[in-house]
Amino acid sequence: EAEVAQSPRYKITEKSQAVAFWCDPISGHATLYWYRQILGQGPELLVQFQDESVVDDSQLPKDRFSAERLKGVDSTLKIQPAELGDSAMYLCASSAPRTGVTDTQYFGPGTRLTVL
Amino acid sequence: AQKVTQAQTEISVVEKEDVTLDCVYETRDTTYYLFWYKQPPSGELVFLIRRNSFDEQNEISGRYSWNFQKSTSSFNFTITASQVVDSAVYFCALLGAGSYQLTFGKGTKLSVIP
Repeated sequence: EAEVAQSPRYKITEKSQAVAFWCDPISGHATLYWYRQILGQGPELLVQFQDESVVDDSQLPKDRFSAERLKGVDSTLKIQPAELGDSAMYLCASSAPRTGVTDTQYFGPGTRLTVL
Repeated sequence: AQKVTQAQTEISVVEKEDVTLDCVYETRDTTYYLFWYKQPPSGELVFLIRRNSFDEQNEISGRYSWNFQKSTSSFNFTITASQVVDSAVYFCALLGAGSYQLTFGKGTKLSVIP
């Protein structure tokens, strides 16, 4: 069964350092999402890509966060510099929207970030 | 604005008991989609079910069943004869028509005790 891949699964870093997370969506899925999940909360959308274009990054803290999906396949989310409050689970999801149809989002295993 | 409320923060049941997880939603959209996801301790969100607002038929899949009631804006999830492997955090989520942003509830942590 096709899955969304993410790496690393765990990341520990010190504040002010840079971190990067990688996501490979299900093959053929045009839409890719990055979510942040704080402990005890539901995931919240950070950024959404349709192919290589950003569709929605309104909730991405752009002073320190950046995301790219250069070839419209895999994606990287970067934080620089990391802050203590960035400690969370970062989840990647993908979906294959067809015109006029809202598709189900399938999630990867996530990257658990701890900032010390 | 859309909102999903899962009032039960944590539930503990003894194995083989039935358990119902509640989900109440708010939306102004006339067409929308409801989801349940399971998040085991490993962290991955596992898709369980999707329901369209125009289809109020209840659904059963093995030990899982879902009760969608548009009149009360609820989409409850029942696990029959619970098992230890059902222990996880369960999230209810809402997606408006034409939107790609899932709105999640805060989740219900289910612990099934052997």
